Amino acid sequence: ETAVFQTPNYHVTQVGNEVSFNCKQTLGHDTMYWYKQDSKKLLKIMFSYNNKQLIVNETVPRRFSPQSSDKAHLNLRIKSVEPEDSAVYLCASSIPGQGDTQYFGPGTRLLVL
Amino acid sequence: GQQVQQSPASLVLQEGENAELQCNFSTSLNSMQWFYQRPGGSLVSLFYNPSGTKHSGRLTSTTVIKERRSSLHISSSQTTDSGTYLCALVPGYQNFYFGKGTSLTVIP
Repeated sequence: ETAVFQTPNYHVTQVGNEVSFNCKQTLGHDTMYWYKQDSKKLLKIMFSYNNKQLIVNETVPRRFSPQSSDKAHLNLRIKSVEPEDSAVYLCASSIPGQGDTQYFGPGTRLLVL
Repeated sequence: GQQVQQSPASLVLQEGENAELQCNFSTSLNSMQWFYQRPGGSLVSLFYNPSGTKHSGRLTSTTVIKERRSSLHISSSQTTDSGTYLCALVPGYQNFYFGKGTSLTVIP
């Protein structure tokens, strides 16, 4: 049963463009995350957002920024994409305290030409 | 260095055979989670298992904290089990270290 929704599924764009990916969870969770999965399938956390508190992985380039309107939504904006941004971006949510078990969306695959 | 080591990197099984996937971690453990990723698809959480043994259908996860390892056993494999199995170590809040995964192929 899908409870974390991501759009779009795929996005192809050119270097320098701005892109925005959407994520919505219907689980009532308090914390949401964005991960980047590279071509070697390594998952790296980019951001987590909990009760308006944003925690950023310091290795994430500044052109990436999360945007949240409420606790059910956490979007990801990339201001000026680079070729190395090509990857799958995964959104997840969890309830802190319940073992940090996370529920993932289907992912958005980005290809930067 | 790599926090989480998974083995084997890839595995090919005949349908019906069992599989044993290993995850070793180099740092202290707060929680451990196993995921399954469908080919080209989404990530599914299989087990949250910081210690001990847990069962779910044909899957069994065993984590031994003192030995800093966790295993995932798949019994009577099916072609639909094909995909990538990832383990993730959570040593503290907001830090998630994923292994490179084990790519499993089950042939009929």
